Amino acid sequence: GAVVSQHPSWVICKSGTSVKIECRSLDFQATTMFWYRQFPKQSLMLMATSNEGSKATYEQGVEKDKFLINHASLTLSTLTVTSAHPEDSSFYICSASGETQYHYNEQFFGPGTRLTVL
Amino acid sequence: RKEVEQDPGPFNVPEGATVAFNCTYSNSASQSFFWYRQDCRKEPKLLMSVYSSGNEDGRFTAQLNRASQYISLLIRDSKLSDSATYLCVVRGGYQKVTFGTGTKLQVIP
Repeated sequence: GAVVSQHPSWVICKSGTSVKIECRSLDFQATTMFWYRQFPKQSLMLMATSNEGSKATYEQGVEKDKFLINHASLTLSTLTVTSAHPEDSSFYICSASGETQYHYNEQFFGPGTRLTVL
Repeated sequence: RKEVEQDPGPFNVPEGATVAFNCTYSNSASQSFFWYRQDCRKEPKLLMSVYSSGNEDGRFTAQLNRASQYISLLIRDSKLSDSATYLCVVRGGYQKVTFGTGTKLQVIP
């Protein structure tokens, strides 16, 4: 149980285009989803926290107009990187948190999306 | 002071050794604590939650010391497959989650 999927697993795009990343909790209802970014050899950096049906809460320094987050259902959240630039190239990881039969409060991570902006 | 601090390592230990990591946190109101492991270029995976009474899962033991504001992870009889980065995660109010920068473990044959 507690499986989180992410799609796509990798994407290469041209500068200026927008990229949408989906995060799904497959076997539990995720009341909260988190979006992280990880640059090579660095720690995970939380970008935003979203609760189903509410606006996301962004961390300081993360532009909410550039990184659009939608958490429309208890199993799906999307992150759209708008007008992507090479400096947005990174490993984007989502995680989901919710009450399952065996877990409470833990986060389960998706496999990540590697974004390369040319 | 960082909210969550870990020694980045690397810790290079021989197979079969016992190794321990500590993680300190600054917010005394923190509510939940976890250890995750992350393999190179992969997502973090939950290793274990950390309970006030301490908990053990096979070769892994986690402990929480609220008075001194740290959590620890002990790995006994290290295996080659234990080589990874171990992330300390602290969760506070309003679902705020903070990751440590991770401690790299390399188990050597």
